[in-house]
Amino acid sequence: AQKVTQAQTEISVVEKEDVTLDCVYETRDTTYYLFWYKQPPSGELVFLIRRNSFDEQNEISGRYSWNFQKSTSSFNFTITASQVVDSAVYFCALSEFSGTYKYIFGTGTRLKVLA
Amino acid sequence: DTEVTQTPKHLVMGMTNKKSLKCEQHMGHRAMYWYKQKAKKPPELMFVYSYEKLSINESVPSRFSPECPNSSLLNLHLHALQPEDSALYLCASSQDAAASTDTQYFGPGTRLTVL
Repeated sequence: AQKVTQAQTEISVVEKEDVTLDCVYETRDTTYYLFWYKQPPSGELVFLIRRNSFDEQNEISGRYSWNFQKSTSSFNFTITASQVVDSAVYFCALSEFSGTYKYIFGTGTRLKVLA
Repeated sequence: DTEVTQTPKHLVMGMTNKKSLKCEQHMGHRAMYWYKQKAKKPPELMFVYSYEKLSINESVPSRFSPECPNSSLLNLHLHALQPEDSALYLCASSQDAAASTDTQYFGPGTRLTVL
């Protein structure tokens, strides 16, 4: 069965520290897509990134970077120089086909950035 | 414009009430989703509509009744709910649920309280 594990339930850092959120997945598929979403206290899930299984290049977007390693089935997310506005719950998700495509979400990591 | 709107933002209802949640998107997406999210949990998929047809019903109780009047609108009709149905209800849309590359965009949610 497909599965996404986010072992870190909650992380607290002080502003300007770097922080890495872990995501480990299990899938039988050879082609698959992984996603990261941010959910601030307001509730809306904000799409951050989509990565396909054929592209193992790391991606950087401003202070955000993602490290995809197929060999270890991991898709980790690093925030550099964290800010208070980064405080949110972050979800990793795997796309699964079941007649149509749907997400398998991890349990989420709550990040608290303290001023 | 990656915007999905949901109304109302908050809803309080009694167990005998009938109410509806509304979701709208103008991105030309052909798939729409309802999720239920309890506190400190990931979103749980309830329904998927693809090209205005119900394609996934995740064994949701019949007191929740989805409706997709057209490709831009998605409703969730609520009747005889229980207090345990209190949650954040999220709507999402995506271009084509039959495509593995599909990315879901979420609305801000409706916080439902059942008394």
